Amino acid sequence: DGGITQSPKYLFRKEGQNVTLSCEQNLNHDAMYWYRQDPGQGLRLIYYSQIVNDFQKGDIAEGYSVSREKKESFPLTVTSAQKNPTAFYLCASSGGGAAGANVLTFGAGSRLTVL
Amino acid sequence: AQSVSQHNHHVILSEAASLELGCNYSYGGTVNLFWYVQYPGQHLQLLLKYFSGDPLVKGIKGFEAEFIKSKFSFNLRKPSVQWSDTAEYFCAAYTGFQKLVFGTGTRLLVSP
Repeated sequence: DGGITQSPKYLFRKEGQNVTLSCEQNLNHDAMYWYRQDPGQGLRLIYYSQIVNDFQKGDIAEGYSVSREKKESFPLTVTSAQKNPTAFYLCASSGGGAAGANVLTFGAGSRLTVL
Repeated sequence: AQSVSQHNHHVILSEAASLELGCNYSYGGTVNLFWYVQYPGQHLQLLLKYFSGDPLVKGIKGFEAEFIKSKFSFNLRKPSVQWSDTAEYFCAAYTGFQKLVFGTGTRLLVSP
């Protein structure tokens, strides 16, 4: 079945450590996104990528970095510069022409807790 | 900047009650609108979408939403909720700047 795989599902890290969250899709979608979900704040866009080797900052990119070396993969690194990294991180992708271009398919999410 | 507002953060209803969740967006141009739902322990998934045409759109599980351009609104409705509708609901808008903007979400609890 096609979909988005995020790993790990749960991650605990000490303050000051960088962590990388994996996101892989087999939907052949061009666009991929990283959102952060916090209670009462909805989903906020961290980074997005429309094509391979290109990505753009979202609304809350500070303290995060991404890469898009392959169409299927869009890993997110939460750096030590991110002041409040404990959150639920969602990866999404979209594709399929004009009608489907804005419809996002989401992964199951990764919950990061910084101790 | 474009924004999406959801006025109800928590809604509690009894089964068979009618539901209406408010959503307003701030953008004067062409906009694509969405409702996504996150059931407990499940992925976020698309409930319904509006791109153009009939402003009353129907989605899965008996949900519908009405796009009212003059009010910048896209409210979600269901005539009779079920316990299985307990979830968090997110309104979202795409305004052509290559990103989807989400509202803060509404947690719906349906008591049996």
